[in-house]
Amino acid sequence: AQSVTQPDIHITVSEGASLELRCNYSYGATPYLFWYVQSPGQGLQLLLKYFSGDTLVQGIKGFEAEFKRSQSSFNLRKPSVHWSDAAEYFCAVGDTDDKIIFGKGTRLHILP
Amino acid sequence: DADVTQTPRNRITKTGKRIMLECSQTKGHDRMYWYRQDPGLGLRLIYYSFDVKDINKGEISDGYSVSRQAQAKFSLSLESAIPNQTALYFCATSAYSYNEQFFGPGTRLTVL
Repeated sequence: AQSVTQPDIHITVSEGASLELRCNYSYGATPYLFWYVQSPGQGLQLLLKYFSGDTLVQGIKGFEAEFKRSQSSFNLRKPSVHWSDAAEYFCAVGDTDDKIIFGKGTRLHILP
Repeated sequence: DADVTQTPRNRITKTGKRIMLECSQTKGHDRMYWYRQDPGLGLRLIYYSFDVKDINKGEISDGYSVSRQAQAKFSLSLESAIPNQTALYFCATSAYSYNEQFFGPGTRLTVL
């Protein structure tokens, strides 16, 4: 089965600073990769997805992610975070039988 | 109105009780999913359905059952609730394989 690892449980950055959230996956072929965000008290919302093509993917809210096959990684980045970005972020990979496997999440804290 | 709704939003029950969580969607999607979220464990798939006649077990189906009453409705039941089923439960829908999943707001279930 496929798996997703998010090494950082919590990340704290200052408002206006850059952000990178790490994600590593295990998959034999070209994976379907996703980043979702969960704001407090909310369901999950898709930030961006990678299926094929350009390895740098742009998403909503100013986020981007880069697929690196050699490193089995799909890290999420944002040049300058805002206080409203405080949330939990989930990386996910498409599994067999059309399922999606989610990582355990990284909680982002923003310092004013 | 929200595209994916879940009822109830919060429920406190006692060990041994039967509980049903309901999910409705207006997105017209065939695929529906039930997930469970526990702190530090991310989202784990309980059951999923690709159409009214297609129900599949996910990673953690023991102790749960589902019913797909119509394309728009997918219910999750706990036949005899136990305390370790205390969690946040999410319903999600998608249009086709590995596409964006749209999540409901979640049901917080507490089993005493």
